[in-house]
Amino acid sequence: SQTIHQWPATLVQPVGSPLSLECTVEGTSNPNLYWYRQAAGRGLQLLFYSVGIGQISSEVPQNLSASRPQDRQFILSSKKLLLSDSGFYLCAWSHAPGNTIYFGEGSWLTVV
Amino acid sequence: RKEVEQDPGPFNVPEGATVAFNCTYSNSASQSFFWYRQDCRKEPKLLMSVYSSGNEDGRFTAQLNRASQYISLLIRDSKLSDSATYLCVVNMFNYGQNFVFGPGTRLSVLP
Repeated sequence: SQTIHQWPATLVQPVGSPLSLECTVEGTSNPNLYWYRQAAGRGLQLLFYSVGIGQISSEVPQNLSASRPQDRQFILSSKKLLLSDSGFYLCAWSHAPGNTIYFGEGSWLTVV
Repeated sequence: RKEVEQDPGPFNVPEGATVAFNCTYSNSASQSFFWYRQDCRKEPKLLMSVYSSGNEDGRFTAQLNRASQYISLLIRDSKLSDSATYLCVVNMFNYGQNFVFGPGTRLSVLP
């Protein structure tokens, strides 16, 4: 069966510091991968999605970036965090666009 | 108009009650529909897909009305464990080939 893991689960970072969140999927090949953010009391916002290695589409302009160095690895990064980057970050995967989407456990980021 | 709208609630219902949530979507070309459940500070998890003919899974029934562009979720015989936020999800193939999530409806089932 397929599984998805992301880490770290929780982190507190100062403004201006870098960020790296990592996500891996197991049990499938060539998944569609996604990064979402959920701010407090708000819906999920799609940040990036990828249909293959090195193929990244950005949905929202911001100081975040994503990379997909391997088929089942998806990384969310920032060079300098802002206070507004605080939130719940979720990695997700699906077999193909339109298919059911499955989420990792999420990462709580607090920028102080 | 927002792409996917839900009543945020909270819906406070007693155990055993029947509760229904609606969700409206703006894009008539939307292709697929889902309900997800999200517990506090946890990731969303798929509850059920929503098919044109309607579908049922135990105490949960989902329906789609394409003409009026809404989907619904009915929960019968509510349990304490049903307390969560329910997210309506619409897949719009012309929107970055990805899902659009509603803000969620919060349900609290009370003893």
